[in-house]
Amino acid sequence: DTGVSQDPRHKITKRGQNVTFRCDPISEHNRLYWYRQTLGQGPEFLTYFQNEAQLEKSRLLSDRFSAERPKGSFSTLEIQRTEQGDSAMYLCASSPQVLETQYFGPGTRLLVL
Amino acid sequence: KNQVEQSPQSLIILEGKNCTLQCNYTVSPFSNLRWYKQDTGRGPVSLTIMTFSENTKSNGRYTATLDADTKQSSLHITASQLSDSASYICVVRRDFGNEKLTFGTGTRLTIIP
Repeated sequence: DTGVSQDPRHKITKRGQNVTFRCDPISEHNRLYWYRQTLGQGPEFLTYFQNEAQLEKSRLLSDRFSAERPKGSFSTLEIQRTEQGDSAMYLCASSPQVLETQYFGPGTRLLVL
Repeated sequence: KNQVEQSPQSLIILEGKNCTLQCNYTVSPFSNLRWYKQDTGRGPVSLTIMTFSENTKSNGRYTATLDADTKQSSLHITASQLSDSASYICVVRRDFGNEKLTFGTGTRLTIIP
């Protein structure tokens, strides 16, 4: 499968714990995006990378959130001290160039108890 | 405020019937508009993309229209199939080079046999 993959697909954690998600984009795609989607809503932009550089972060990305793409390939999104409001689907997408179609992964569904 | 509004919120139609979903946006300056299909628990998949100069784009049984003057778009689905049951999300890119996309909340379409 050469699509965008995300791991894990589901995560249940207790409030206050840290979680880390991984995204593997389509190879050759130098742009990688993270979104958050709550039930019944469209995705909300969190951040994006061009290669290993994090070029933009949304104000939704509080200081408890950190994203990395150390080698310009896979990316990780870490949430520290999780809160119940963090419960959502976290989507990753990649694209080959700016303004090109973004290809989304299946998402990681997070539930914070 | 840059917004994308979709209607109806949900729609139920019989298999084989046609339907039209609406998208109104206030995003400015406009770069392009995309329609995505999102199956439950999956990431969105791109259906069409239209720039300012395009007023119609087809992808199989899906036909999207765009009126950049009135800032309205529609997605018409012909001869619906059970597999068309999904959320359809309208996404507007704000301007050339701006990475942030504004997502609508989607229309939940259910096809019944």
